Amino acid sequence: NAGVTQTPKFRVLKTGQSMTLLCAQDMNHEYMYWYRQDPGMGLRLIHYSVGEGTTAKGEVPDGYNVSRLKKQNFLLGLESAAPSQTSVYFCASSWTRQFGGDTQYFGPGTRLTVL
Amino acid sequence: KNQVEQSPQSLIILEGKNCTLQCNYTVSPFSNLRWYKQDTGRGPVSLTIMTFSENTKSNGRYTATLDADTKQSSLHITASQLSDSASYICVVSEWGSQGNLIFGKGTKLSVKP
Repeated sequence: NAGVTQTPKFRVLKTGQSMTLLCAQDMNHEYMYWYRQDPGMGLRLIHYSVGEGTTAKGEVPDGYNVSRLKKQNFLLGLESAAPSQTSVYFCASSWTRQFGGDTQYFGPGTRLTVL
Repeated sequence: KNQVEQSPQSLIILEGKNCTLQCNYTVSPFSNLRWYKQDTGRGPVSLTIMTFSENTKSNGRYTATLDADTKQSSLHITASQLSDSASYICVVSEWGSQGNLIFGKGTKLSVKP
């Protein structure tokens, strides 16, 4: 099993450009998440999904959109990138999230720089 | 406000020595507490998970303790190895249908030869 994979690993964008980050998991997990990690801060939840066709906002959703058209894939989109979105983005998946839920499995991360 | 505070922010120890990392939280209602290890340039990997009824849990040389009354947890690393150099993140889960996770900022551990 590959676990959770992310594409691309690195990306440099200019302000105003758009891009999509792809997350894929082969563990048949229902729940998937997108986080961002910035220096000196804990991981912050951007959006998450409780199943195919569903999405929900997390702690810092502004400037991002997501889609979960297939159970195994979770896409994160930046429509008009801003320097404040320079960060490392992590995707994660789990069986559930409710009532303590289950362990989250993280991908290797995507390092995004917006100039 | 639900918060998770970790200390120290960073720590340097010599190979073979033991160390203890601290985590204090104010999350309520509490469901469970997890410790993750994050190697540089990689995603976090789960080390342990403890519910309120568990006082201690081990994973090899890693031993986590939990005091739900004082809302404190610690991660003890025994006989450290160079490969233990990483950030260690404490994560507390809220009890409920949302199961929100509150992440600490992590402790950066460097093990020197």
